[in-house]
Amino acid sequence: DAGITQSPRHKVTETGTPVTLRCHQTENHRYMYWYRQDPGHGLRLIHYSYGVKDTDKGEVSDGYSVSRSKTEDFLLTLESATSSQTSVYFCAISEFQNEQYFGPGTRLTVT
Amino acid sequence: EDKVVQSPLSLVVHEGDTVTLNCSYEVTNFRSLLWYKQEKKAPTFLFMLTSSGIEKKSGRLSSILDKKELFSILNITATQTGDSAVYLCAVGPGGGADGLTFGKGTHLIIQP
Repeated sequence: DAGITQSPRHKVTETGTPVTLRCHQTENHRYMYWYRQDPGHGLRLIHYSYGVKDTDKGEVSDGYSVSRSKTEDFLLTLESATSSQTSVYFCAISEFQNEQYFGPGTRLTVT
Repeated sequence: EDKVVQSPLSLVVHEGDTVTLNCSYEVTNFRSLLWYKQEKKAPTFLFMLTSSGIEKKSGRLSSILDKKELFSILNITATQTGDSAVYLCAVGPGGGADGLTFGKGTHLIIQP
């Protein structure tokens, strides 16, 4: 398995609070991605990074921000959590060819 | 807008049967099509296809891409209960920078 960890693995938070999810890789891959997975929608791209300090928006980026200060870490921040952001969040990594490997996921519940 | 459509959405078969899962797509700047298996946890990578007409195989699983007709199929022969999962199809543009566009998946149940 690719060396990808996510933390926390489960989190319950209240509406309006900020939340940060962390993705850590030991593969030294250049590209990192954040997806969310919801019933009826499948996996959707939130943000991605193509290098340290280089990030861009995906399909569903509203309400989220990201940062990548080191190759191995990619942080996803929900600036003010809403119930619509209750989801399972997956981090993924890839090198050159679109073959992405996924982390174990974080289940986030916003009450 | 990029689109990936998988069919059927769900499928129930008996152990030993052969199944064919379908994926059609409409994307700009197509580079590759990928198949993943998801069993209540993270998706795990199965295949990546970039060239039309070339079959990829791994054990009882195989997949082929038709870039002219914009679809791919995933075949599983001699199915086992351990094949029960959601199978995801995704397409991606070139370069690895942009993310994948996923279909909603096919939920496959193998009955003993």
